[in-house]
Amino acid sequence: AQSVTQLDSQVPVFEEAPVELRCNYSSSVSVYLFWYVQYPNQGLQLLLKYLSGSTLVKGINGFEAEFNKSQTSFHLRKPSVHISDTAEYFCAVQSGYNKLIFGAGTRLAVHP
Amino acid sequence: AAGVIQSPRHLIKEKRETATLKCYPIPRHDTVYWYQQGPGQDPQFLISFYEKMQSDKGSIPDRFSAQQFSDYHSELNMSSLELGDSALYFCASSRTGTGANVLTFGAGSRLTVL
Repeated sequence: AQSVTQLDSQVPVFEEAPVELRCNYSSSVSVYLFWYVQYPNQGLQLLLKYLSGSTLVKGINGFEAEFNKSQTSFHLRKPSVHISDTAEYFCAVQSGYNKLIFGAGTRLAVHP
Repeated sequence: AAGVIQSPRHLIKEKRETATLKCYPIPRHDTVYWYQQGPGQDPQFLISFYEKMQSDKGSIPDRFSAQQFSDYHSELNMSSLELGDSALYFCASSRTGTGANVLTFGAGSRLTVL
């Protein structure tokens, strides 16, 4: 069975600073990995995905993530955050029958 | 581009009442997924349908049922509502192909049980 662990429940950061949101997964088979963002009172929006190929994937809003198979990680990064990046970020792994299994989420709080 | 449409967006019910949520997937998407997100929680998978047949089942209570219709829209029926059913319910859809299926989520239906 697959599982996802997001190591930080909250990450406070100042505007224009870099940020990394950590995600580790557990799976006995090849995985597809995703990051979704949820703004307050809104739905889930796909940020980026790793399906195969290059381990560095770029997404929307300047975010990128690196798939590391040996460390079973898929950390999300942004070199310079904006106030508007304040949201909940969910890492997810796709399992059998294609459902997504989500991590507990990381609340990114960007301060001026 | 067309997105996943959920209705209603907000719903208030009393305990022991019944609620029905509807989901209209992206055109040509053949799979629908339902998730429940409690306050401050991550989305939990409830159930999914592929080509109108149940394809997977998660932590869906026996009081809940769902189906996918011939036009691919899906409905989640919840009976004997409890306070703990108050949550944001997401529907997602995808198109089956080779490799991963990328899920697109709707904006969610917020159910409040009083």
